Amino acid sequence: NAGVTQTPKFRILKIGQSMTLQCTQDMNHNYMYWYRQDPGMGLKLIYYSVGAGITDKGEVPNGYNVSRSTTEDFPLRLELAAPSQTSVYFCASSYSLGQETQYFGPGTRLLVL
Amino acid sequence: LAKTTQPISMDSYEGQEVNITCSHNNIATNDYITWYQQFPSQGPRFIIQGYKTKVTNEVASLFIPADRKSSTLSLPRVSLSDTAVYYCLVGDGLGGGGSQGNLIFGKGTKLSVKP
Repeated sequence: NAGVTQTPKFRILKIGQSMTLQCTQDMNHNYMYWYRQDPGMGLKLIYYSVGAGITDKGEVPNGYNVSRSTTEDFPLRLELAAPSQTSVYFCASSYSLGQETQYFGPGTRLLVL
Repeated sequence: LAKTTQPISMDSYEGQEVNITCSHNNIATNDYITWYQQFPSQGPRFIIQGYKTKVTNEVASLFIPADRKSSTLSLPRVSLSDTAVYYCLVGDGLGGGGSQGNLIFGKGTKLSVKP
């Protein structure tokens, strides 16, 4: 199993541009999550999904959108990139909610200039 | 949501036992305590989870006193490769008790192991 994979690994965006961060898991997990981690800080939950077609906001959803059309994929969309969105983005998945072990991807480093 | 407090950093030497304590005074009845490890440029990795008393696995031990207001992650005989940030999380699951995003990662404890 590849686990959780994320693409791209690194991206530079100009202010106002848009992009989609890709996340795929091959563990047949129902639950998937997107976090952002600013330098020297912990992770903050952006959005999560409890299954295909079902998503919900986390702690810091503003400026982002998600979709979940399949069990495997959970892309994160930035519509109008802002410098405040410069961060490292981690996707994770788990078999069930919350206290179940979450498996994290390697992260996508995003720089908005 | 139960807030957690951990030391910002700790130093140790190879071969020593390291204990990292986390305070969670407002822990709820249904909350579990989970620890994750994060290396630079990688996503966090699950280490151990517990509800009360003591839990041990091949990597670490977790000690939880009866009042559950704190917990201690114990790493036996650390090596240089244990240098990482360790996060203590408390929660019962997304949406539990009307809360959301229960997995709150604080700043964690940066453990530096020296030779």
